[in-house]
Amino acid sequence: TQLLEQSPQFLSIQEGENLTVYCNSSSVFSSLQWYRQEPGEGPVLLVTVVTGGEVKKLKRLTFQFGDARKDSSLHITAAQPGDTGLYLCAGVRGGSNYKLTFGKGTLLTVNP
Amino acid sequence: DVKVTQSSRYLVKRTGEKVFLECVQDMDHENMFWYRQDPGLGLRLIYFSYDVKMKEKGDIPEGYSVSREKKERFSLILESASTNQTSMYLCASNSGYEQYFGPGTRLTVT
Repeated sequence: TQLLEQSPQFLSIQEGENLTVYCNSSSVFSSLQWYRQEPGEGPVLLVTVVTGGEVKKLKRLTFQFGDARKDSSLHITAAQPGDTGLYLCAGVRGGSNYKLTFGKGTLLTVNP
Repeated sequence: DVKVTQSSRYLVKRTGEKVFLECVQDMDHENMFWYRQDPGLGLRLIYFSYDVKMKEKGDIPEGYSVSREKKERFSLILESASTNQTSMYLCASNSGYEQYFGPGTRLTVT
């Protein structure tokens, strides 16, 4: 059972467009992280959200944690080719001894 | 900055060989993890360790073993490599909920 569903699976857009990717679950998570992974590299942590309803901004990236702590979204404004990569969400469930549950990711391509 | 290093970026091994993948972290983290990443399947946890000499099976431990003799080093062992173990292997460490990944080892078993 995939506990974290990410959508869309693939996304190809032009430079300058806006986009939103989603991470949904039927389970409650004590915290949720977003990572970006470039080809041939390991994932790099972008942000951690902890509180239901929390919104965090990282330059052109806006992350939101759902009120019920079951879902999250990542919005990118004015996408650039450097934003290209695999975006992964990962959640920690209470009592999990810091083990993460990962979604399968959204592969974003931003064309110049 | 946290640094997690892996011994090889690319590795090619033959079926039946014993394979060692090494991971070192420099931030004194308690927890270390080994994942494999395959297209369409995402990251799957193989094993993790929460202290020296302590280990716990993840979701897909079959065909793998691990060793953690020192806090900073966590090794993944493929006892007898098979072609279905061709994959990207990622090591991570954490202190708290946030994980820090190494660059990965692309293993091909022929």
